[in-house]
Amino acid sequence: GESVGLHLPTLSVQEGDNSIINCAYSNSASDYFIWYKQESGKGPQFIIDIRSNMDKRQGQRVTVLLNKTVKHLSLQIAATQPGDSAVYFCAESGSSNTGKLIFGQGTTLQVKP
Amino acid sequence: SQTIHQWPATLVQPVGSPLSLECTVEGTSNPNLYWYRQAAGRGLQLLFYSVGIGQISSEVPQNLSASRPQDRQFILSSKKLLLSDSGFYLCAWSGNRDTEAFFGQGTRLTVV
Repeated sequence: GESVGLHLPTLSVQEGDNSIINCAYSNSASDYFIWYKQESGKGPQFIIDIRSNMDKRQGQRVTVLLNKTVKHLSLQIAATQPGDSAVYFCAESGSSNTGKLIFGQGTTLQVKP
Repeated sequence: SQTIHQWPATLVQPVGSPLSLECTVEGTSNPNLYWYRQAAGRGLQLLFYSVGIGQISSEVPQNLSASRPQDRQFILSSKKLLLSDSGFYLCAWSGNRDTEAFFGQGTRLTVV
């Protein structure tokens, strides 16, 4: 079956350091991946996405890397700030045509001042 | 621009009572609509999705149902709530396959 998992439930980093959050997926047919940020009590917010024809995509302070060989996805946050503290979810499109996303369990990012 | 509205933000309901959560989307037509549930400290579990009016697909067997009476309206219901229905319910929409989903602010449901 399809599943998305995260390697670590909690990541603690010092303010100003870079953060790397990892995610493994199981469906080799997935061709679209997204990272979301969820602050306490709020709905997830889109951060960045990547399609399977790419292996890297950059946004503002964030980079997503996709390794299809080992079915691994990572989110890199440069110069982590206190406002980056949240739960981060990876999601994959799966093999359906409905647009539904399959989410991982989330990694809590804690930024220490 | 597109917006998604979900209400209420919090809800406390007794066991056995009915439930109706509503979600509406503005600024787009024929969206794909989704209901997710999130248990405390966990990821998002897809409950229902809809690709059109009256078209509902259920992902997991449960005590809940969904309806889409209008193109941009998605309703999550239950006839009799169970304690295990407590959770954070999120509505979302997307344009089509392989695009990001946009989430509402969620409803915190506590069944007592």
